[in-house]
Amino acid sequence: DAGVIQSPRHEVTEMGQEVTLRCKPISGHNSLFWYRQTMMRGLELLIYFNNNVPIDDSGMPEDRFSAKMPNASFSTLKIQPSEPRDSAVYFCASSLNPSPLHFGNGTRLTVT
Amino acid sequence: AQSVTQLGSHVSVSEGALVLLRCNYSSSVPPYLFWYVQYPNQGLQLLLKYTTGATLVKGINGFEAEFKKSETSFHLTKPSAHMSDAAEYFCAVSDRNNNDMRFGAGTRLTVKP
Repeated sequence: DAGVIQSPRHEVTEMGQEVTLRCKPISGHNSLFWYRQTMMRGLELLIYFNNNVPIDDSGMPEDRFSAKMPNASFSTLKIQPSEPRDSAVYFCASSLNPSPLHFGNGTRLTVT
Repeated sequence: AQSVTQLGSHVSVSEGALVLLRCNYSSSVPPYLFWYVQYPNQGLQLLLKYTTGATLVKGINGFEAEFKKSETSFHLTKPSAHMSDAAEYFCAVSDRNNNDMRFGAGTRLTVKP
């Protein structure tokens, strides 16, 4: 089991650019979560999917953020346009309900 | 909605001393409770979980936590700290469908030699 795989591990981009973060959940898991971690706000739940369907996106900070899960093995989190305050570590996690979440190693995003 | 509060953003103990990390939860339904650990530049790893049954839960690396409904608490303990326990610890709560897991702000544990 390779675990939850996120790419890239690090992303540096300029303000205004589009950023796409990718996640491959553990095979067989039916729930997928996107979190953002910052020093100021800690871990924030952005959105989660059950069986590829978005269930709650109330944590998505602005319309600049969007997430998709076209199939059970892939999800993306897109920020367009990016801003410096989006700089954070973004984590993807998956689970087979009701088991606990398994986290990826995160993508560290820096927007200059 | 569920929420957790972790008391103390930083805890420092000496090697061999008791570790106590505090967590209180709020939930309108019977909760599932979790403790996760995060090492630098890594994702979160599950330490232990409470779902139903025995209220004293044992996890990995010698940690344990006790669910106390009357106190709405789920404190994490370890009898004797090791240097390798230095990390950030997160308490989390979810509903019984595990659909909406919420994390506390985290407690950074420092272990002094």
